Amino acid sequence: DAGVIQSPRHEVTEMGQEVTLRCKPISGHDYLFWYRQTMMRGLELLIYFNNNVPIDDSGMPEDRFSAKMPNASFSTLKIQPSEPRDSAVYFCASSPGTDGNTIYFGEGSWLTVV
Amino acid sequence: LAKTTQPISMDSYEGQEVNITCSHNNIATNDYITWYQQFPSQGPRFIIQGYKTKVTNEVASLFIPADRKSSTLSLPRVSLSDTAVYYCLVGDAGYNQGGKLIFGQGTELSVKP
Repeated sequence: DAGVIQSPRHEVTEMGQEVTLRCKPISGHDYLFWYRQTMMRGLELLIYFNNNVPIDDSGMPEDRFSAKMPNASFSTLKIQPSEPRDSAVYFCASSPGTDGNTIYFGEGSWLTVV
Repeated sequence: LAKTTQPISMDSYEGQEVNITCSHNNIATNDYITWYQQFPSQGPRFIIQGYKTKVTNEVASLFIPADRKSSTLSLPRVSLSDTAVYYCLVGDAGYNQGGKLIFGQGTELSVKP
């Protein structure tokens, strides 16, 4: 049973470039979350979807960040243009939404913007 | 959203029992209490979840008093591999459909030989 799959695992990009992070949630899960983790700010919830619909994007830091979920098996988090302060680990997670707070995280996408 | 407070760090030795307490004074009726574990370079992993009283699984026990304003994660006989950050979460991501899960700062547990 495959877990949450994220790509790329690691990315180094130059400031100003567009970054696209991808996520495939666990099949059958109705909720999808994007988190960002840094040493300074810890694990922050950026946005979450329910049945492919964005429910709360109040954690998205600014307009440079956007997230989409075109179908139940795919989501993207895009940063355009990227800045060095966006360097972080970005986690995607999914949940069936029927078992309290049980959510399943991917391995993360390690982003470095130079 | 219920805010949680837990110790920033704890030290222990192999073979000891470790108890990490989390305070959540404004927990709501529909909220569950959930604990996650995160190893370096990995995503958080679900450990245990409860609503009230005591829950036990193969990894840990969770003690929740009647007022539910706090909870204690108990790890029996820790080993070096239990060195990780432990997060306490309070919320209702599912049934309420309006909830979202916020991670606090977590407790960094260091197990020494």
